[in-house]
This record gives sequence, structure tokens and C-alpha cells, in this order.
Amino acid sequence: DTEVTQTPKHLVMGMTNKKSLKCEQHMGHRAMYWYKQKAKKPPELMFVYSYEKLSINESVPSRFSPECPNSSLLNLHLHALQPEDSALYLCASSQGTGKATQYFGPGTRLLVL
Amino acid sequence: GIQVEQSPPDLILQEGANSTLRCNFSDSVNNLQWFHQNPWGQLINLFYIPSGTKQNGRLSATTVATERYSLLYISSSQTTDSGVYFCAVIIQGAQKLVFGQGTRLTINP
Repeated sequence: DTEVTQTPKHLVMGMTNKKSLKCEQHMGHRAMYWYKQKAKKPPELMFVYSYEKLSINESVPSRFSPECPNSSLLNLHLHALQPEDSALYLCASSQGTGKATQYFGPGTRLLVL
Repeated sequence: GIQVEQSPPDLILQEGANSTLRCNFSDSVNNLQWFHQNPWGQLINLFYIPSGTKQNGRLSATTVATERYSLLYISSSQTTDSGVYFCAVIIQGAQKLVFGQGTRLTINP
């Protein structure tokens, strides 16, 4: 099974709200990723977790806060977002970093009002 | 950083046609993946192909690592092949998957 699941599928939030995106995989992968994709653009890496430790933060604003509670779960906590943060947020996982195939979830479409 | 260039940016074909999509990259890579993004946003893995040739049904891919390019071939196109095709690479020693700008493929019935 090469499935990565994400919840919710859609999210609408105000600029003062706090919300969380969730990602789960049961493939035994030890690396997990968050990407952001704006309309008509390619996905861009935000964070990489390797063995439950944050290994890459692509200079993402602190209003995005990742968390990896265990090897199967990855969360993205959202607080005080701006309308320009509206995008498709994609989670991915892989056996390791570097040479391994990355598998993507279906994404969460976020709209910030 | 590494540059990933895909061509053509847009391609419109009739059902049944064949197509070739190209990905050029500017540095040595140890990971190259082709994805199809469907209209709902799902990124579907097509190939993991840092070098060599692979085939899966009507799709095949070839990467010539020494010349820093990869090709994706789609034969006998179907309307369900429509969407955006992305090439993405990781340079040797790195962890970051860098995407090209994509090729938007439209297959008309």
C-alpha cells in the first residue's frame, strides 16, 4: 500500500484562527515532508522530517509550525495566517531522504479569509 | 541551486496521439521522479528514474544522467491523461526535491 492520507480535504479559516492539517502514512517510511503549491505553480518544499526530527526548514514563516508526533504522523499547525497563504498543502513520505521515491497525499486546499 | 526546465509548457493533442515531454536539469542528481497531477490536485507517481529506461503500459521514461535530461513518452493518449506532468529532482548529497514548472497536457476527444 503506497497511500498517504491527509485531513481535512478543504479548510476555510480566518486570519485569527488556529487550525491544524494532518498527514498519516503506514508504509514504514522514516521521512515525511510538507509542500505548498500555489495555483499554476509547482509544489515547493516547506519542511522535511527525518526519523521524527526536523531536518529542513525552508525559511518558512513561524505562523506555520510543523510537528511529527511519531513516525506515521505529521501535523502542520496554522496560526494567524494571511490571505496569501491560501494554497494546496501537500504531504509526502519516503523510505529515506535523497534517493528514495516520495509518495504524495491528496492535499488540503486551504483558503484564508 | 539546481535548475529544472520542462518543455513544452503546454501541449494540446487529439486522443490517440503520441507525445514526448522533456526535462533538463543543471546538476548531477541521485533522484528523478515524474508525476502526473490530476485536476483534483493529486500527484501521482509515474516513474522513479535517476538513470536508464522504464516502461509502464502506455508510458515510458528515459533518463540520460550524463547529459542531464529525461524524457517521458505517452503513447495512444487518452482524455484521462490530461493534467500537468512534473519532473522533480534531488541533487547528489541533498534532501530537497526540486520541481520543474510542469507541462500542461490537454487531450481532446
